[in-house]
Amino acid sequence: DSGVTQTPKHLITATGQRVTLRCSPRSGDLSVYWYQQSLDQGLQFLIQYYNGEERAKGNILERFSAQQFPDLHSELNLSSLELGDSALYFCASSGTGQGNGYEQYFGPGTRLTVT
Amino acid sequence: AQKITQTQPGMFVQEKEAVTLDCTYDTSDQSYGLFWYKQPSSGEMIFLIYQGSYDEQNATEGRYSLNFQKARKSANLVISASQLGDSAMYFCAMREGGGSNYKLTFGKGTLLTVNP
Repeated sequence: DSGVTQTPKHLITATGQRVTLRCSPRSGDLSVYWYQQSLDQGLQFLIQYYNGEERAKGNILERFSAQQFPDLHSELNLSSLELGDSALYFCASSGTGQGNGYEQYFGPGTRLTVT
Repeated sequence: AQKITQTQPGMFVQEKEAVTLDCTYDTSDQSYGLFWYKQPSSGEMIFLIYQGSYDEQNATEGRYSLNFQKARKSANLVISASQLGDSAMYFCAMREGGGSNYKLTFGKGTLLTVNP
């Protein structure tokens, strides 16, 4: 158990809908990262938050947005869903980024299926 | 350009033997780090080992060791005494950036199968 929690574990929804994925980082970790894993794109970095602020952006679509709340949990919002958004979405957290703080610990993932 | 290259889509190894999974990387940063993660069929991503670019000794964690050759830009994972439970997808990843502001770039993975 990495200490990172994600809900829900599975999500099935229709095209055009909007969903919210939730992540709670490991106790004490200030950084949260979101990744998308699909068969054709592999594992892709989406976005990073550090202590409530957006710090880095990857291949995140404009239809997707995220935020990190004062209690450090994070939510990834996916809207106007398309079939191609079906993927496994991971949240990861890390510490201060110094010494061993670079390790990112992953949650169990949310499997999103868009029908 | 691909920053992390894993050239072995699949590998087979006999139980109790050692296996090396290849990873080459491309970066112009002086400070970076290399990671290996394991993803079993259940889907979770399990952190295995980390090597910083300034670390002089190769990282080891139990049966896992990272063969870091900086000049060749390679960071191969060596698993000693393979076990059936080692069958999984293995991903090499690189950290670029530092402090509290960095991301990981992943390779496409190597599917390892351990045969009894």
